[in-house]
Amino acid sequence: AQSVTQLGSHVSVSEGALVLLRCNYSSSVPPYLFWYVQYPNQGLQLLLKYTSAATLVKGINGFEAEFKKSETSFHLTKPSAHMSDAAEYFCAVSGYGGSQGNLIFGKGTKLSVKP
Amino acid sequence: DSGVTQTPKHLITATGQRVTLRCSPRSGDLSVYWYQQSLDQGLQFLIQYYNGEERAKGNILERFSAQQFPDLHSELNLSSLELGDSALYFCASSQGALPVSGNTIYFGEGSWLTVV
Repeated sequence: AQSVTQLGSHVSVSEGALVLLRCNYSSSVPPYLFWYVQYPNQGLQLLLKYTSAATLVKGINGFEAEFKKSETSFHLTKPSAHMSDAAEYFCAVSGYGGSQGNLIFGKGTKLSVKP
Repeated sequence: DSGVTQTPKHLITATGQRVTLRCSPRSGDLSVYWYQQSLDQGLQFLIQYYNGEERAKGNILERFSAQQFPDLHSELNLSSLELGDSALYFCASSQGALPVSGNTIYFGEGSWLTVV
């Protein structure tokens, strides 16, 4: 069975500071991992995905994430936060060895950016 | 804009009623997924269809049903509605059925259902 744990339901950073959103996964098969962002009153937008090619994945809006198998982690980072980054971020997993194509999501982390 | 279209955007209905949510996938996508997002349960996978056939089932209640039509649009039917069914229902689509590297899942903006 696959699962995702996002540490911290709320994270607050100052504008210009480092953003670090934590995600740990559990998967019985090699995973595909994803980060999605949800702005207020909007749908989910794909930020980036890990598909076993490179362990450091670059996404949109300056975000990147590193897959660490030994730590079963896929943390999301951005060097310098911008006010427009305020949103909820979801980590998700699917297993390419499995028979199901759906995503299993974490509970989400709400990012606040202070001026 | 993801290319996934959902209607209606907002819906208010009474307990015991039945509603239908509609989804048009991105052009060329054969898979359609339904997810429910609520404050207490988070994002829960309900069901997946691929090219008209049910492909995978998640935490979908027996009162809920879905189908994918020959033109690939999908409908989620929710019946005997309860207060606890109030949630944001997302439709998503992808080209393939399985999580291979090129099979990105794109989400619509959701349908807000309020049961009163």
